[in-house]
Amino acid sequence: GAVVSQHPSWVICKSGTSVKIECRSLDFQATTMFWYRQFPKQSLMLMATSNEGSKATYEQGVEKDKFLINHASLTLSTLTVTSAHPEDSSFYICSAAPGPSTDTQYFGPGTRLTVL
Amino acid sequence: AQTVTQSQPEMSVQEAETVTLSCTYDTSENNYYLFWYKQPPSRQMILVIRQEAYKQQNATENRFSVNFQKAAKSFSLKISDSQLGDTAMYFCATHTGANSKLTFGKGITLSVRP
Repeated sequence: GAVVSQHPSWVICKSGTSVKIECRSLDFQATTMFWYRQFPKQSLMLMATSNEGSKATYEQGVEKDKFLINHASLTLSTLTVTSAHPEDSSFYICSAAPGPSTDTQYFGPGTRLTVL
Repeated sequence: AQTVTQSQPEMSVQEAETVTLSCTYDTSENNYYLFWYKQPPSRQMILVIRQEAYKQQNATENRFSVNFQKAAKSFSLKISDSQLGDTAMYFCATHTGANSKLTFGKGITLSVRP
């Protein structure tokens, strides 16, 4: 149980285009989902906290207009990287908390984004 | 604010031996959780072990155990009988109810040698 999926697992796009990444909790409902960014050999950097039915809370320094997060249902959150540039290339990981406490989080397998 | 420090960037251990990964943290909260996560080459984050700060007993999960020293704010992970599949990056993390976020350390790369 407690499986989180991400789609796609790897995406390559051209500079200036937008890319959407999906995060789904497959066998539980997640009131809260989190989006992280990870560079090679580095730690996870929290980008935003997503609560179902409300606006996401972004961490300091994260551009909310560039990284659009939608948490439309208790099992799905999406991250859209708008007007992607090569510096947005990274590994994006989501996690989902079955809640109400967020101390237990289940992680998705991640999405590798390459912007050419 | 919470901080998590993992001062060792890399470690190596011989298969079947024991290795300890260190972690220190800082928090002003009384109630918090501590975690060790494993990230193998597949990059899937896997929960290794979890410790509630109010529990004095050290958590164990099969070959994995922690040494939780609350006063010293230390939370080390011991891996016994190391296996090749233990090769991964390991992250120490804290979570408090106050900010509802996981705070990760920089991680340590563990290599298990055959």
